[in-house]
Amino acid sequence: QKEVEQNSGPLSVPEGAIASLNCTYSDRGSQSFFWYRQYSGKSPELIMSIYSNGDKEDGRFTAQLNKASQYVSLLIRDSQPSDSATYLCAVNMRGGYQKVTFGTGTKLQVIP
Amino acid sequence: DAGVIQSPRHEVTEMGQEVTLRCKPISGHDYLFWYRQTMMRGLELLIYFNNNVPIDDSGMPEDRFSAKMPNASFSTLKIQPSEPRDSAVYFCASDRRGSNQPQHFGDGTRLSIL
Repeated sequence: QKEVEQNSGPLSVPEGAIASLNCTYSDRGSQSFFWYRQYSGKSPELIMSIYSNGDKEDGRFTAQLNKASQYVSLLIRDSQPSDSATYLCAVNMRGGYQKVTFGTGTKLQVIP
Repeated sequence: DAGVIQSPRHEVTEMGQEVTLRCKPISGHDYLFWYRQTMMRGLELLIYFNNNVPIDDSGMPEDRFSAKMPNASFSTLKIQPSEPRDSAVYFCASDRRGSNQPQHFGDGTRLSIL
């Protein structure tokens, strides 16, 4: 089992819809969880961080964490074509030193 | 403020040659990370430094890979000899301790080994 797993996609959603991106992780002791957005040919960009169970909202983005199920998700409301990118889930499994393990990413396509 | 600066942006070389990738972290950041990204394996941490000292190099794939950080403002990742399977995008990232924020990434070096 991979430490951090994501569906590679592509996930296609129409403009204005809600995009739901999912991620599971293996280490039950993981403490910090992150979502990065990566446009084609660019470097990863941090868009959300979440540390406790529940939802965290930032503009059109909502991160959801369920530590019991070892599951973290990212919802994008009112999806825009500019949201088309690959979204990387990242998990800090050991705390302390900032060592973060990344999933392979889900490619999102927002169709105008 | 300047971000993480990597050079070169692109490198094409023949198998067997030595390759050196360079990184200048953000001033004041005491953590520096080297990542490799491929389609098959995604983004992988190779090695990271704290205060110029290598802390964890368990991600370095082989002895052909080495990394140094001679001072707080400069790091290198060297591959010698290079092989076609080393072709990837290599990212350098930096951060500061206690920020609870993961790394700030450079623009990456796209490496092609022929």
